[in-house]
Amino acid sequence: QSVLTQPPSASGTPGQRVTISCSGSSSNVGSYTVNWYQQLPGTAPKLLIYGNDQRPSGVPDRFSGSKSGTSASLAISGLQSEDEADYYCAAWDDSLNGHVFGTGTKATVL
Amino acid sequence: QVQLVESGGGVVQSGRSLRLSCAASGFTFRNYGMDWVRQAPGKGLEWVAIIYYDGSNKYYADSVKGRFTISRDNSKNTLYLQMNSLGVEDTAVYYCASDRWEGRVRRLDYWGQGTLVTVSS
Repeated sequence: QSVLTQPPSASGTPGQRVTISCSGSSSNVGSYTVNWYQQLPGTAPKLLIYGNDQRPSGVPDRFSGSKSGTSASLAISGLQSEDEADYYCAAWDDSLNGHVFGTGTKATVL
Repeated sequence: QVQLVESGGGVVQSGRSLRLSCAASGFTFRNYGMDWVRQAPGKGLEWVAIIYYDGSNKYYADSVKGRFTISRDNSKNTLYLQMNSLGVEDTAVYYCASDRWEGRVRRLDYWGQGTLVTVSS
């Protein structure tokens, strides 16, 4: 029941900058802040970015987020091999009264 | 440190029931909303249900409404998910997560390691 749209994949060489987009609607991204979750292979998701652009303690500053209207994006600067993971955007949705997740983007380091 | 530990997963036949538990520690459980999120094999994340900090409000995804019930026991720092009338489409890893919100800033702060539920036909 994904309501937020992301590209299925993103890739770059080590050191490059990669961006992942997230498109929603007025009932979710347009009304609430966006979060990003990182899921490394075989592990549980982890909060990466919250409140559109805030990093929890311990998250490297090469990860950054932004939001404009009903769209958001995650940027990874200085891509590293350990950044290979699935990334999901998410936001609260008023019509659902729950969290909605993006379709997920698999980031690959070439 | 914050710990969320799910249990109760396993293999169950279609149409049967299962109850998942999530034991919380390292934070003031009674002050936080809690969610269940699931992930079918090879698929993305799907939000399942939320319960407010005091149990006063509960909301569900349409896919589980009427079949699943979320509950909590703040005296035991434990979250539950009662799953009835299970179908093969409910096969997934189920995660519990702590839910923090301040105005329009809402996020799932911490996640458990997940418990696998497999529904066989």
